[in-house]
Amino acid sequence: KQEVTQIPAALSVPEGENLVLNCSFTDSAIYNLQWFRQDPGKGLTSLLLIQSSQREQTSGRLNASLDKSSGRSTLYIAASQPGDSATYLCAVMGGFKTIFGAGTRLFVKA
Amino acid sequence: EADIYQTPRYLVIGTGKKITLECSQTMGHDKMYWYQQDPGMELHLIHYSYGVNSTEKGDLSSESTVSRIRTEHFPLTLESARPSHTSQYLCASSDSGTSPNEQYFGPGTRLTVT
Repeated sequence: KQEVTQIPAALSVPEGENLVLNCSFTDSAIYNLQWFRQDPGKGLTSLLLIQSSQREQTSGRLNASLDKSSGRSTLYIAASQPGDSATYLCAVMGGFKTIFGAGTRLFVKA
Repeated sequence: EADIYQTPRYLVIGTGKKITLECSQTMGHDKMYWYQQDPGMELHLIHYSYGVNSTEKGDLSSESTVSRIRTEHFPLTLESARPSHTSQYLCASSDSGTSPNEQYFGPGTRLTVT
């Protein structure tokens, strides 16, 4: 059974810092992995999707990597801003199901 | 920007009432999903659909039911609401053809049962 873990559960950084969010999964037989952002009380906004054949994806200040063999993905955020404050979720898609991690709550201090 | 809509956004209702949460998407996606999320917790899949007249239960046991009579519409119904149903309900869709399994989410419905 696929399990997805995100570390750390919460993170507080000063503005301008580069940071890394981690996602690990137990079953490497996945189709793809998707990173989302969720603001309080809102739905999920897709940030990046990495297909199983890919190693990384980039969008603006965000870079996500995928290492299927070790069951890990990282989301790198460069030059963090207060507007980046949100919960970041990773979701692993395998077979017919999507399994979500509990998220990392990020707070960027101005 | 994803074109997936949920109504109502917020609902407070008494125990025993029947409620239907609406979800519609205008992207022509074949797959649609309902997730339940308690505050600070993971999303759990409660229902999904691969297309019209196709619905399946997800991993999390739910007393709700769904229907998929039209591609764009995937309503979720609770026949008799209970306080334990208080949660946020998120609808999502994906296109199995162009971008396999990339899910787009609606804004969610926050349900409170008193």
